[in-house]
Amino acid sequence: AQTVTQSQPEMSVQEAETVTLSCTYDTSESDYYLFWYKQPPSRQMILVIRQEAYKQQNATENRFSVNFQKAAKSFSLKISDSQLGDAAMYFCACSGFNDYKLSFGAGTTVTVRA
Amino acid sequence: GAVVSQHPSWVICKSGTSVKIECRSLDFQATTMFWYRQFPKQSLMLMATSNEGSKATYEQGVEKDKFLINHASLTLSTLTVTSAHPEDSSFYICSAADRYEQYFGPGTRLTVT
Repeated sequence: AQTVTQSQPEMSVQEAETVTLSCTYDTSESDYYLFWYKQPPSRQMILVIRQEAYKQQNATENRFSVNFQKAAKSFSLKISDSQLGDAAMYFCACSGFNDYKLSFGAGTTVTVRA
Repeated sequence: GAVVSQHPSWVICKSGTSVKIECRSLDFQATTMFWYRQFPKQSLMLMATSNEGSKATYEQGVEKDKFLINHASLTLSTLTVTSAHPEDSSFYICSAADRYEQYFGPGTRLTVT
């Protein structure tokens, strides 16, 4: 089983600036996956980025990148060049390597100021 | 990417009645589907794991007799809320697993009056 902690309930960022969302996790598994999901006001869950724990290289998807610190069990998300469409609730999640079940953090609401 | 649909998107029912929510994987087969419940501004709470052809596995605290889950085929799972009460009003989300990744449906808003 995994536990995921997001300690920032809300974050605000100026358009075109950068914001970093924090996430820490705990797991007893040696192999696992980490995810960041975005939930806009439509409430549709959208996968932002995925990281396989056995890969040392940090995942990147366009303006989204992660800082994966395995020893510290930290998995932060950086949103660069923030856009108005990035405004949403962001969830950090973890699943075991052979278990599809996701454990979610409490979420961080991101507001983008024009 | 893979697409998951849910039907209905919004349902209003009277207290004491039952309501069924369907979750379909449209372009892939999912041996495992999940059902979540989400309250406003809160995280997703896993209710149960649905495996095709077998009984669902419910999370602790979830009443299996109230939330009936059926996974009759590799593309369809249903959640039936039996004898619904106002406290069952919530946003219900399903997801379908394709290897290590879950694809989420758009959710169903249930309002019990």
